[in-house]
Amino acid sequence: ILNVEQSPQSLHVQEGDSTNFTCSFPSSNFYALHWYRWETAKSPEALFVMTLNGDEKKKGRISATLNTKEGYSYLYIKGSQPEDSATYLCASNTGFQKLVFGTGTRLLVSP
Amino acid sequence: DSGVTQTPKHLITATGQRVTLRCSPRSGDLSVYWYQQSLDQGLQFLIQYYNGEERAKGNILERFSAQQFPDLHSELNLSSLELGDSALYFCASSGQGENSPLHFGNGTRLTVT
Repeated sequence: ILNVEQSPQSLHVQEGDSTNFTCSFPSSNFYALHWYRWETAKSPEALFVMTLNGDEKKKGRISATLNTKEGYSYLYIKGSQPEDSATYLCASNTGFQKLVFGTGTRLLVSP
Repeated sequence: DSGVTQTPKHLITATGQRVTLRCSPRSGDLSVYWYQQSLDQGLQFLIQYYNGEERAKGNILERFSAQQFPDLHSELNLSSLELGDSALYFCASSGQGENSPLHFGNGTRLTVT
């Protein structure tokens, strides 16, 4: 994989549903994997930075896992709320903080 | 509020013109990054500065240049503008750790007509 890829491109869930997205990245030249949350009309905000294989991080109802050997990360949202509606970006640090971003997963949570 | 300030918020200009986008990083951050987001594309890395020195370069066109000044603010200069340069330009800054998260400004929306 030469690029960072995210799936699905968009997702529409109901309030209370749990959901997850995938980020695939090149496993060579890997330094760190970043997740950002980008709400409409705002700027991207950092959620997690993960570096180690098997890393798992959690912030409230949002958690993420990392597999550096196979080059993927999952982001989970438990009990989605309308305020979780945003685009979720992942980015691979390929060295010197040169982040290669995916195109994001756009999440819409309906009440 | 990320602490990163970008000006102007919006810029409308004609093809062939030159514009300057300005960024003030978060207090204490030495690294500044510039990203471009065009329609239907992800954030594209343009260039990074660390404490006044260029540190990494991405797919930045020769018509574009940037610099970081002694007070750590940065400017991105875009010249001979083309319609395809219309995009959202983000500046971000980060702390000194190699894997520090990026803190993004609100972006400058450039429209070239």
